[in-house]
Amino acid sequence: RKEVEQDPGPFNVPEGATVAFNCTYSNSASQSFFWYRQDCRKEPKLLMSVYSSGNEDGRFTAQLNRASQYISLLIRDSKLSDSATYLCVVNGRSGGYQKVTFGIGTKLQVIP
Amino acid sequence: DAGVIQSPRHEVTEMGQEVTLRCKPISGHDYLFWYRQTMMRGLELLIYFNNNVPIDDSGMPEDRFSAKMPNASFSTLKIQPSEPRDSAVYFCASSSGVPREAFFGQGTRLTVV
Repeated sequence: RKEVEQDPGPFNVPEGATVAFNCTYSNSASQSFFWYRQDCRKEPKLLMSVYSSGNEDGRFTAQLNRASQYISLLIRDSKLSDSATYLCVVNGRSGGYQKVTFGIGTKLQVIP
Repeated sequence: DAGVIQSPRHEVTEMGQEVTLRCKPISGHDYLFWYRQTMMRGLELLIYFNNNVPIDDSGMPEDRFSAKMPNASFSTLKIQPSEPRDSAVYFCASSSGVPREAFFGQGTRLTVV
């Protein structure tokens, strides 16, 4: 089983739709979680951190479910500019040092 | 702040040649990461440094790959000899502590023919 798994998509949704992505992780000792956004042929950039209590930033909501070992990202009222690949990132300790693992990314295409 | 600076942006080389990728992290950041991204495997962590010391190199695919960080403002990733399967985008990222936001460079697109 991969350490971090995501559905690569693509998810094709109309403008204004709500879309949700999940990301599962295998290491129950994982400590922190993030969502990054990567535009085509660009570098990844931090979208938001994921906290145990869940957090919201405008149209974006991130949640963590430690019991089931997954994180989610919800995008409301999708915009054309939301089209990108969304990478989940899991950080934890392994072998005495920090280990940062990226998921393969979920591609989102918002259609007019 | 100029951000993380990588060079070259593009590299095309012949199989068997040595390739050196360069990275200048953000000043003051104490962690530096090298990643490789391909369509099939996504973003893979190759190695990371803390205060110029290599901490985890378990992601380095084989002995043909080596990385150094001689000082806080410079790191290299070397592939010798290069092979076509090394073709990928190589990203360098830096952060101030872990877990913290990692800032990525624009990447080096490597093509080995």
